Amino acid sequence: AQTVTQSQPEMSVQEAETVTLSCTYDTSESDYYLFWYKQPPSRQMILVIRQEAYKQQNATENRFSVNFQKAAKSFSLKISDSQLGDAAMYFCAYRSALMYSGGGADGLTFGKGTHLIIQP
Amino acid sequence: ETGVTQSPTHLIKTRGQQVTLRCSSQSGHNTVSWYQQALGQGPQFIFQYYREEENGRGNFPPRFSGLQFPNYSSELNVNALELDDSALYLCASSSGLAGGRTDTQYFGPGTRLTVL
Repeated sequence: AQTVTQSQPEMSVQEAETVTLSCTYDTSESDYYLFWYKQPPSRQMILVIRQEAYKQQNATENRFSVNFQKAAKSFSLKISDSQLGDAAMYFCAYRSALMYSGGGADGLTFGKGTHLIIQP
Repeated sequence: ETGVTQSPTHLIKTRGQQVTLRCSSQSGHNTVSWYQQALGQGPQFIFQYYREEENGRGNFPPRFSGLQFPNYSSELNVNALELDDSALYLCASSSGLAGGRTDTQYFGPGTRLTVL
């Protein structure tokens, strides 16, 4: 079974500064996806960024970028120019790329989350 | 493009009762997954429906069951409610891709279930 670990329960950053959220995972698969989701107090889980394991290039979405280290099984999220609206719980998630992996579809495996606080 | 919707927003039940939660998938998506998120935790995978059949299940007992309809909307049913079933229930939809590959899941706003 896959596991996802987020070792930072809470992080705080000044507005306009850069912050990095850590995530490590464990899997025996070679073909998978990694995601960062954001969950504000409104509760809706919002996709921030996605990385395919077979791609060596790190994914980037505007102010959000990842550092994907496949051999180390590490997948960190960097948020540049932090804004007040970035305040939320951030979840790292893993999913097999194959719908029928292991004889049945697996859902996303989530970490426990990191609470990001933006200081004005 | 219509996003994922869920109903109701909040629900209060008593122990032993049964509950049905509903989810409408995003336009063009044929796969629906359900997750349970306890307070302060990450979501846990309950099960997934693809083309009206359950095709994956997490570590949840049989009293958690579901349906998917021809329009790809879905229901989550929980029988014999227990206090520990109090949680946020999230629905996510996605497309089943060619070659059996998965795709990104997009989430609805969730249903907050409280069991007293």
